[in-house]
Amino acid sequence: DSGVTQTPKHLITATGQRVTLRCSPRSGDLSVYWYQQSLDQGLQFLIQYYNGEERAKGNILERFSAQQFPDLHSELNLSSLELGDSALYFCASSVAAGGPNEQFFGPGTRLTVL
Amino acid sequence: EDQVTQSPEALRLQEGESSSLNCSYTVSGLRGLFWYRQDPGKGPEFLFTLYSAGEEKEKERLKATLTKKESFLHITAPKPEDSATYLCAVQAYSGYALNFGKGTSLLVTP
Repeated sequence: DSGVTQTPKHLITATGQRVTLRCSPRSGDLSVYWYQQSLDQGLQFLIQYYNGEERAKGNILERFSAQQFPDLHSELNLSSLELGDSALYFCASSVAAGGPNEQFFGPGTRLTVL
Repeated sequence: EDQVTQSPEALRLQEGESSSLNCSYTVSGLRGLFWYRQDPGKGPEFLFTLYSAGEEKEKERLKATLTKKESFLHITAPKPEDSATYLCAVQAYSGYALNFGKGTSLLVTP
């Protein structure tokens, strides 16, 4: 158990809908990262927050957004969902903003868009 | 652009048969190279961080090494419970994200 929690574990929804994925980092970690894992693309970095502020952006679509709250939990919002958004979404956390410091991953949310 | 290539894509070993997994990388200034283990449907589990060429780290049957262009994950006398996908990732000085390879799927049979 990494200490990173994610909810829900599974999410099934329809195209065009909006969903919210939630992540709680390990105790003491200030940085939260979101990654998407699909069969063809592997693990892809989406976005990073540090202590409530956005720090880095990867290949995140404009339909996706995230935020980190004062209690350090983070939410990833996915809207206007398409079939291709079906994937595993992982949250990771680390102590600091940069590195090198290890990122610890949560169990993931499996999103299925029908 | 940073790139991480892992080989082989899949590897099947008999229990006790040692082998190595390769991770080749190009990065504009390496901050760190990371190895993770991932079981099906689970989140990646951190194994090692390597910072500079020549560095080695060990954990049970696993040993990771680093050169300026590649890293190896050596598995000595593997057991069936070592079956998993092993992921390599690099972190560059220019950013905070981990850039992952596509992984090596390892199957160890009794």
